[in-house]
Amino acid sequence: DVKVTQSSRYLVKRTGEKVFLECVQDMDHENMFWYRQDPGLGLRLIYFSYDVKMKEKGDIPEGYSVSREKKERFSLILESASTNQTSMYLCASSSGSINQPQHFGDGTRLSIL
Amino acid sequence: GQQVMQIPQYQHVQEGEDFTTYCNSSTTLSNIQWYKQRPGGHPVFLIQLVKSGEVKKQKRLTFQFGEAKKNSSLHITATQTTDVGTYFCAGRNSGGYQKVTFGTGTKLQVIP
Repeated sequence: DVKVTQSSRYLVKRTGEKVFLECVQDMDHENMFWYRQDPGLGLRLIYFSYDVKMKEKGDIPEGYSVSREKKERFSLILESASTNQTSMYLCASSSGSINQPQHFGDGTRLSIL
Repeated sequence: GQQVMQIPQYQHVQEGEDFTTYCNSSTTLSNIQWYKQRPGGHPVFLIQLVKSGEVKKQKRLTFQFGEAKKNSSLHITATQTTDVGTYFCAGRNSGGYQKVTFGTGTKLQVIP
């Protein structure tokens, strides 16, 4: 079974802090994704990566950056956290073949005070 | 950009009743996937539809992909309490790398 592990289940940070969310997958998947989930808005794609050191903007990249230095790890960075970034963050991975399903981590519930 | 809407946003049904959620895209899709998220859990892949007009079944769940490949539906027959959760569709545009756009989700509550 694919295992996608997010470093924290719950996280509380302060406005203006730099926040790192880590995601690791153990299936040698080429593609990795970061979403945020908010009530009534579904899952919105922040960034994705289809290879090491490659990244593509999703639908809501503003205020975020990402890093993919190793194939198994995809990090989401909030450069200067703001209260409107309080949300559930979900990481996912999929294999390189098109049409493959995404496998999700358990999510990080991030609160920015 | 591409938008994928789902209706209804919420649905309460009595156990044993049927349930349907509809997914509508603003653009033509190359395929559509369906996911289920249990309360407190993460989305889990259910199925993928690729062909125009395709219908697939998983026990009590029936999935359809529209002829124009812009809409899809999930129908659950005789709901059970284990069906509780939020159902998401996710559509991929032609040529869109691995990026999919998730729908807004339908939250299903089943009353025993």
